[in-house]
Amino acid sequence: DARVTQTPRHKVTEMGQEVTMRCQPILGHNTVFWYRQTMMQGLELLAYFRNRAPLDDSGMPKDRFSAEMPDATLATLKIQPSEPRDSAVYFCASGSGTSGDTQYFGPGTRLTVL
Amino acid sequence: SQQGEEDPQALSIQEGENATMNCSYKTSINNLQWYRQNSGRGLVHLILIRSNEREKHSGRLRVTLDTSKKSSSLLITASRAADTASYFCATDVSGTYKYIFGTGTRLKVLA
Repeated sequence: DARVTQTPRHKVTEMGQEVTMRCQPILGHNTVFWYRQTMMQGLELLAYFRNRAPLDDSGMPKDRFSAEMPDATLATLKIQPSEPRDSAVYFCASGSGTSGDTQYFGPGTRLTVL
Repeated sequence: SQQGEEDPQALSIQEGENATMNCSYKTSINNLQWYRQNSGRGLVHLILIRSNEREKHSGRLRVTLDTSKKSSSLLITASRAADTASYFCATDVSGTYKYIFGTGTRLKVLA
């Protein structure tokens, strides 16, 4: 049963610390998305990749967030330095990159920045 | 932004009743998808409807699309307690692979 995995599932950190979240997309999927979900803002697209190349990261605060795909099996989202307003659930999703593509979501990383 | 808006924000019904939730969006689309999110979990794809389709069924789900009104509805028939979740519509952004998600409807089905 192929699924997207994310680590860690929960992270509590202090303001100013670096946070790294990891995602393993479904094997064979060539699009990867990072979302942030909060009660106030809902589900926001932060960045997405196709064939490991970043296509759009306009939803991401550039000064502190960075997203990369070191290889086809790993996507990372880093926050440095973290701030309390970054507290949210971060989801990774992958897709096969075709029109009308279904996105398969991971379980999310719940981040709390104190 | 292109974000869709769902209506109602929250809905509480009795088991066995039908649940209808609506989604409105702002710009032209090629297709629209509906997703479900159980508490504390990731989103799960339910159904996709293309812009040239008006209605689509999948099990107890019925989706309609009215492109002239830029709106879609999701009907869940004979609801069950297990249908309790948040439901989101997602619209594609032309020329890209991305979707913009709506604000969601929180459905509670009472046993």
